[in-house]
Amino acid sequence: QKEVEQDPGPLSVPEGAIVSLNCTYSNSAFQYFMWYRQYSRKGPELLMYTYSSGNKEDGRFTAQVDKSSKYISLFIRDSQPSDSATYLCAMSGNTGGFKTIFGAGTRLFVKA
Amino acid sequence: GAVVSQHPSWVICKSGTSVKIECRSLDFQATTMFWYRQFPKQSLMLMATSNEGSKATYEQGVEKDKFLINHASLTLSTLTVTSAHPEDSSFYICSAPNEESGGAAEQYFGPGTRLTVT
Repeated sequence: QKEVEQDPGPLSVPEGAIVSLNCTYSNSAFQYFMWYRQYSRKGPELLMYTYSSGNKEDGRFTAQVDKSSKYISLFIRDSQPSDSATYLCAMSGNTGGFKTIFGAGTRLFVKA
Repeated sequence: GAVVSQHPSWVICKSGTSVKIECRSLDFQATTMFWYRQFPKQSLMLMATSNEGSKATYEQGVEKDKFLINHASLTLSTLTVTSAHPEDSSFYICSAPNEESGGAAEQYFGPGTRLTVT
C-alpha cells in the first residue's frame, strides 16, 4: 500500500463548477498537509498547507484535513479554465528533515 | 514567496556523457534540498536529500555513483548525472524548504530541468 493515495483522474468539469480533490494516507505521523499545483513542464507551486486537522480557506480554495479518517481534500469554487493543471497532495511529519511524500497527482481540466 | 531557480531548464546530451544541474535558493538559505525525478504524467519521485556540509541521503534504488549530489553552499545544490543513458531522460526538479518559516510544509520548487539523452 502506498503511503499516499490519490486518484490520477483525469477529472473534467465545466467552468464554474465546484471541484473536489482528495487524498488518503496511511502514516499517522504526518502533521503537515499540502496541496501543490503543477502546470505542464513546470515545477509544482505550493497552493496552501494545513497543520494537523481542520480547514483552511484561501480565496476560491479550501483545504480540509480529517486525521481521524486519514483523508484530506481540496475544494475549488467557481473553477476557471486557468485552474486546469495537475494537483498534487503532499504530506510530511515533524521528523525526517522536511521529507515530503507526494500523491500521484490528479489531472484537472476545466472546460470553458 | 520564496524563489528557487534551476539551470539549465533543458539539456540534450549524448549517451555516455555527464550533465550537471544546478539548484539555487535565491532569497533564503537552505541547509537541505531535495532532488526529484518525474516521468510524464506521473508524480514526483524523491531521489535524494542534499545536505549542506555532509553527504547526500539517497532513496532506495537510486544509484549514488550515477547521480552525484553536492551541496556546495547554503544556497546551491548540484546534481550530476554521470555516464547518462537514454533511460535517464526525464524531468528533474529540485526543492528547498524555507526553514525560517514553515519548514516541513513550505517547500519551494525549482522550474525543473528536462534532460534528453540521445
